Amino acid sequence: DTEVTQTPKHLVMGMTNKKSLKCEQHMGHRAMYWYKQKAKKPPELMFVYSYEKLSINESVPSRFSPECPNSSLLNLHLHALQPEDSALYLCASSEGGQPNEKLFFGSGTQLSVL
Amino acid sequence: AQSVSQHNHHVILSEAASLELGCNYSYGGTVNLFWYVQYPGQHLQLLLKYFSGDPLVKGIKGFEAEFIKSKFSFNLRKPSVQWSDTAEYFCAVLHSGYALNFGKGTSLLVTP
Repeated sequence: DTEVTQTPKHLVMGMTNKKSLKCEQHMGHRAMYWYKQKAKKPPELMFVYSYEKLSINESVPSRFSPECPNSSLLNLHLHALQPEDSALYLCASSEGGQPNEKLFFGSGTQLSVL
Repeated sequence: AQSVSQHNHHVILSEAASLELGCNYSYGGTVNLFWYVQYPGQHLQLLLKYFSGDPLVKGIKGFEAEFIKSKFSFNLRKPSVQWSDTAEYFCAVLHSGYALNFGKGTSLLVTP
């Protein structure tokens, strides 16, 4: 299994809603990532978890809250988002602990904030 | 932080034409460089990567890239493109250990 699975594939939410994005991999990878990608723009790194600990937070607003319950799962909790947060949210994983590793990307969750 | 820039934002080619997409990186020390491709409606996939050694790197689907340290460049090439190569291409550099910084991307359209 070389897949990174993200659910849901599409999500529409209001600015007062609370929702969560989920990411799962069963490759035994120990590093997991959240990226945000606007249309026709490159992915922008948001968070990196390494061995279930948050190692990088790229100054992401607190309305985005990551969580890594175990080595296979990565969540992104959303609360009080703004319309400009509408984007494709990509999860990725890599073996972890070493630089130069290949990232495996999921297909993303297309988020629309109304 | 290490960064990359891609100067060609949109490229249109006919099938069988040769392709070269530019990528320049900002850091003069050791760099780890990648090219990723995103086909319409699909997730990002790794085409090739350079860490050290032979500066000419061969990837999947007939793509290759050449690391030229004196020019701070890592251009992507393919001798003959196909319609199925229509996609968004991202150059990326490793920073902070194992996170990637992506360039703005180049949108390639291959016409029959």
